[in-house]
Amino acid sequence: EDQVTQSPEALRLQEGESSSLNCSYTVSGLRGLFWYRQDPGKGPEFLFTLYSAGEEKEKERLKATLTKKESFLHITAPKPEDSATYLCAVSRAGGSYIPTFGRGTSLIVHP
Amino acid sequence: SQTIHQWPATLVQPVGSPLSLECTVEGTSNPNLYWYRQAAGRGLQLLFYSVGIGQISSEVPQNLSASRPQDRQFILSSKKLLLSDSGFYLCAWSAIGRENYGYTFGSGTRLTVV
Repeated sequence: EDQVTQSPEALRLQEGESSSLNCSYTVSGLRGLFWYRQDPGKGPEFLFTLYSAGEEKEKERLKATLTKKESFLHITAPKPEDSATYLCAVSRAGGSYIPTFGRGTSLIVHP
Repeated sequence: SQTIHQWPATLVQPVGSPLSLECTVEGTSNPNLYWYRQAAGRGLQLLFYSVGIGQISSEVPQNLSASRPQDRQFILSSKKLLLSDSGFYLCAWSAIGRENYGYTFGSGTRLTVV
């Protein structure tokens, strides 16, 4: 069974204080690893798909990296508007493409 | 451009009452459609998905059902709501063959069963 574990559950940062969110996964052959951002009371918004170990993708202050066992979402010099819940998900190669989601990391950035 | 509409935004229903949540997608044809539920402190739970009109796959046996009466319309229903049905319901779509480009989610329905 595919598993996705995100840590920490919650993270509080000061504006400008860089940090990383972790997504550990277990899947028998990775098709893709996904990162989403979810604002309170809204649906998740797609950020990135990573396919293979060593791959990196960036968007503004966010950079996602991937190894064979985990992915990191690095947030550089965060701003209050980066406050949200960040969700990680994986889909399995050769099987159903339906992704398995983690429980998310709630990020609060204080001004 | 493609858009997804989901309504209502909030709903308070008594136990035992029926439920109907509607989702429509515009700007694309033959999308994959999904219903998820998100409970507080828990991840997204896939309830139903559809790869075509009349094709519904259920992931979780429960008192909910889904229908796809038109290509871009997905409906979540219940004949009798339970307290445990409370949660945040999300509709999503993806283009066939482009699932790795991520899902587009609707704005969600907050359902409270009282």
